[in-house]
Amino acid sequence: AQTVTQSQPEMSVQEAETVTLSCTYDTSESDYYLFWYKQPPSRQMILVIRQEAYKQQNATENRFSVNFQKAAKSFSLKISDSQLGDAAMYFCAYRSGGLIQGAQKLVFGQGTRLTINP
Amino acid sequence: DTGVSQDPRHKITKRGQNVTFRCDPISEHNRLYWYRQTLGQGPEFLTYFQNEAQLEKSRLLSDRFSAERPKGSFSTLEIQRTEQGDSAMYLCASSLGRGPQPQHFGDGTRLSIL
Repeated sequence: AQTVTQSQPEMSVQEAETVTLSCTYDTSESDYYLFWYKQPPSRQMILVIRQEAYKQQNATENRFSVNFQKAAKSFSLKISDSQLGDAAMYFCAYRSGGLIQGAQKLVFGQGTRLTINP
Repeated sequence: DTGVSQDPRHKITKRGQNVTFRCDPISEHNRLYWYRQTLGQGPEFLTYFQNEAQLEKSRLLSDRFSAERPKGSFSTLEIQRTEQGDSAMYLCASSLGRGPQPQHFGDGTRLSIL
């Protein structure tokens, strides 16, 4: 079974600075997708960024980018120019790319609570 | 695109009672998922539907839990004879097709068992 580990329960960063959230995963599959979701307090989970494992190029979305190291099974999220609105729980998630049963579910890490200091 | 809608937002009930939650997915999405999230943890998969067919159920989904998606539109999740351990946030998500299409989540239903 696949597992996702986020080793940083909490992180904090000064507004306008850069922060990196860590995520590692364990799988024997070669075809899969990785996601970062953001969950603000008492609000819905929102997709931040996604990465297809077959793509070597790291995904970027405005101030958000990932460092995808397939061999190391690492998928970190970098947030540049941090803003107060970035404060939230961040979850790393894995999804199989295959067609087998169970391939559609997301497997989540434990989350990292990000605080932005003004 | 009105997003994924869940009802109710909060449910407080006594142990032993039955509860039912509803999820309305994004209209064109054929896949619907239920997850459970306890405080300070990431969501855990419960079950998923493709159209009206329930294609997978987690071992977390005991016999007291049942989910339906009649006509492939909205879905309901029922918990019978609720227990203290059922207290959690129940999240619904939907997606379109396969591949890297992301799952879009609703606000969730927070269940509290007295």
